[in-house]
Amino acid sequence: DGGITQSPKYLFRKEGQNVTLSCEQNLNHDAMYWYRQDPGQGLRLIYYSQIVNDFQKGDIAEGYSVSREKKESFPLTVTSAQKNPTAFYLCASSGGLRQPQHFGDGTRLSIL
Amino acid sequence: GQNIDQPTEMTATEGAIVQINCTYQTSGFNGLFWYQQHAGEAPTFLSYNVLDGLEEKGRFSSFLSRSKGYSYLLLKELQMKDSASYLCASMDSNYQLIWGAGTKLIIKP
Repeated sequence: DGGITQSPKYLFRKEGQNVTLSCEQNLNHDAMYWYRQDPGQGLRLIYYSQIVNDFQKGDIAEGYSVSREKKESFPLTVTSAQKNPTAFYLCASSGGLRQPQHFGDGTRLSIL
Repeated sequence: GQNIDQPTEMTATEGAIVQINCTYQTSGFNGLFWYQQHAGEAPTFLSYNVLDGLEEKGRFSSFLSRSKGYSYLLLKELQMKDSASYLCASMDSNYQLIWGAGTKLIIKP
């Protein structure tokens, strides 16, 4: 079954800690995306990657970092510089420029 | 600036029809997407419009008017499982999606 897998489902971060959210896809999609969703707001783009070994900042990249070493994987690190990390994080992939984005089940991050 | 507007919440009755409106202003336009999102879950793709007119897909239809910067999602024969948030997203000239905040649809028996 093709799809996008995000882990963990729930994550807690301590002060000063970096945490990494996993995103893996087996849809053979070139493009992958990370969004943040807060209550009452639209999805906001953190980072995106159109091809392996290349990625671009989205609208709210500060305090986050990514890597794209493999086509299937696009992990997101929430660094200690991100002062308000509590949110629902969604990873997506798409098969082309005007193709719909398909989403993983999300990771809910909270501060301890 | 880029902006997507849709109502925050709507209520409808099981078996009825509901229309969820969306107006958009984006830098360039490469199509309008609608997604459904149940509480605590991921968004799932419903429809894509890039040309003016109505696209029908079962109980769901989506309409686009590019000259008015306007789209709507029409849901017929509402079922309780249709209770969800419906997200409108416009694709800009860089092929990035600009998302609305979503419309929470409440279905009453």
